[in-house]
Amino acid sequence: ETGVTQTPRHLVMGMTNKKSLKCEQHLGHNAMYWYKQSAKKPLELMFVYNFKEQTENNSVPSRFSPECPNSSHLFLHLHTLQPEDSALYLCASSRGTGELFFGEGSRLTVL
Amino acid sequence: KNEVEQSPQNLTAQEGEFITINCSYSVGISALHWLQQHPGGGIVSLFMLSSGKKKHGRLIATINIQEKHSSLHITASHPRDSAVYICAVSPDSNYQLIWGAGTKLIIKP
Repeated sequence: ETGVTQTPRHLVMGMTNKKSLKCEQHLGHNAMYWYKQSAKKPLELMFVYNFKEQTENNSVPSRFSPECPNSSHLFLHLHTLQPEDSALYLCASSRGTGELFFGEGSRLTVL
Repeated sequence: KNEVEQSPQNLTAQEGEFITINCSYSVGISALHWLQQHPGGGIVSLFMLSSGKKKHGRLIATINIQEKHSSLHITASHPRDSAVYICAVSPDSNYQLIWGAGTKLIIKP
């Protein structure tokens, strides 16, 4: 138990669906991250929020839309995804640029 | 060439063996992370270090800043240590880490 909770753990969606991934931490961390992990590839940073403000957006397609309503919650809204977007999506948090605490991940399959 | 290289990519050993996983990087860093990922997917931070050596239980991490190299050691390895071990570096104390590809470790009973 890392203190970072992600839901849902598994998600299957069609290319025309709209769904959201949720991440929650009550560790008092100020930074929250979305990472994508595809098979046989290193982790890819998608977005970083620091005190609710987006500080990094690594050229992520607009079909991925993050939302950070407060320092404890982070969402990733998904719409009109492609099959190549199927991957494990990991949320993490940290105090400043310190040690990262990860959630268990949401495994997404796009049909 | 990747900025963070891990070796070996795959490692299979017998229970009880001493394990070493290596990480080399080519950029200046403020910190280096070692993390563990089990087959279920979740990632756990093992160490964050910027110099010297850290120990936690049977795990030891060392870093040589001059040589741009770090090692993760596991003593008295056990099948539950089977996982992917990932090295990542923080180039400038910002939120972007550069990630290694991971080392898949299997410990056989």
